[in-house]
Amino acid sequence: AQKITQTQPGMFVQEKEAVTLDCTYDTSDPSYGLFWYKQPSSGEMIFLIYQGSYDQQNATEGRYSLNFQKARKSANLVISASQLGDSAMYFCAMRDQMNSGNTPLVFGKGTRLSVIA
Amino acid sequence: DTGVSQDPRHKITKRGQNVTFRCDPISEHNRLYWYRQTLGQGPEFLTYFQNEAQLEKSRLLSDRFSAERPKGSFSTLEIQRTEQGDSAMYLCASSPRLGGIDTQYFGPGTRLTVL
Repeated sequence: AQKITQTQPGMFVQEKEAVTLDCTYDTSDPSYGLFWYKQPSSGEMIFLIYQGSYDQQNATEGRYSLNFQKARKSANLVISASQLGDSAMYFCAMRDQMNSGNTPLVFGKGTRLSVIA
Repeated sequence: DTGVSQDPRHKITKRGQNVTFRCDPISEHNRLYWYRQTLGQGPEFLTYFQNEAQLEKSRLLSDRFSAERPKGSFSTLEIQRTEQGDSAMYLCASSPRLGGIDTQYFGPGTRLTVL
């Protein structure tokens, strides 16, 4: 069965510093995708970045990058140059059986990031 | 291109009442998902549609829950005889047709409070 573990309930980071949010996953399927979403206090889940299990390079999207270590089954999110607007809940999610395209996302419990001025 | 919309944003109801939520996906997205999120947890999958066909339902979706997507566009989620344990955020997401990574784009959610 799929499982996502986020071990950091809360994190603090100084504005303009970088921060890493941890995510480990478990699946027996060789074809899977890893997603990170941001959820501000308004409640909407905002897609940030995606990493496929067969991707050779770590994904990057602006200030977001994904530190993908396949052997360790980890997919940590790195946010560079933190901004006050980055304060939110961050969820790691996974979908396996990517070839079928018909599987729902499994989410972790999330990490609350607080950016300090 | 507007995003996923959900209505209402907030619903307060008394135990035992029926409630219905609506989701309008991004146009031309043929897959639509419903998730439930309780306090301190990540979203949990409830059900999903490909066009008008409901293809999968979670065991979380009890007999009191029913979802429809009659014309393959908007979807409704109905909860009958609500219980206090149904209090949660109900999130809808849509994704484009098969091919690619099938990124799911979420709406703002409907927060249900059952008194």
